[in-house]
Amino acid sequence: QKEVEQNSGPLSVPEGAIASLNCTYSDRGSQSFFWYRQYSGKSPELIMSIYSNGDKEDGRFTAQLNKASQYVSLLIRDSQPSDSATYLCAVGRGGSYIPTFGRGTSLIVHP
Amino acid sequence: ETGVTQTPRHLVMGMTNKKSLKCEQHLGHNAMYWYKQSAKKPLELMFVYNFKEQTENNSVPSRFSPECPNSSHLFLHLHTLQPEDSALYLCASSQAGTESEKLFFGSGTQLSVL
Repeated sequence: QKEVEQNSGPLSVPEGAIASLNCTYSDRGSQSFFWYRQYSGKSPELIMSIYSNGDKEDGRFTAQLNKASQYVSLLIRDSQPSDSATYLCAVGRGGSYIPTFGRGTSLIVHP
Repeated sequence: ETGVTQTPRHLVMGMTNKKSLKCEQHLGHNAMYWYKQSAKKPLELMFVYNFKEQTENNSVPSRFSPECPNSSHLFLHLHTLQPEDSALYLCASSQAGTESEKLFFGSGTQLSVL
């Protein structure tokens, strides 16, 4: 059984701070890792993908992957109230495999 | 119309009704998915179609019946549902191959079964 674990939160951070969202996974064969953002009442939207160990930066977002520890994280710098959403971690095996989703972490950025 | 569109956005039905959810993708993708999202639970994969062929049926009860007439359209036919089937039903699409795991979701249908 492939599992993807996330703390459901909510994670509350002040505006301007760094928000750190974490995800662990059980399948050592995992090759691809994704972060989706889901606003309340909306559908998930892909914001980051990462495939190699290390960091990947895109604007205020940084994804970090450590395959040895089976750990992937998402950092949001200079957090804004508009970042308040649920962040879903998804893990896949590459190719045509369907990714497995975590339950999501609720992030609240307060002014 | 761009992306993945789903209709209706909201649906209330009785346990004896028959209804259908519709999904259309305008991204040129060749894989389409139905997911169920319930409160406090991970996204649950229900069905997958690749090139119109069903490749995954995740032990979904027969009261849910998918249909994929072409690679752009996907339906979910519902009949004799139970109150526990109330959830957000999401359609998604992707491009088979190296990008197949990048899913593009529709806005979902919020279903309430009375």
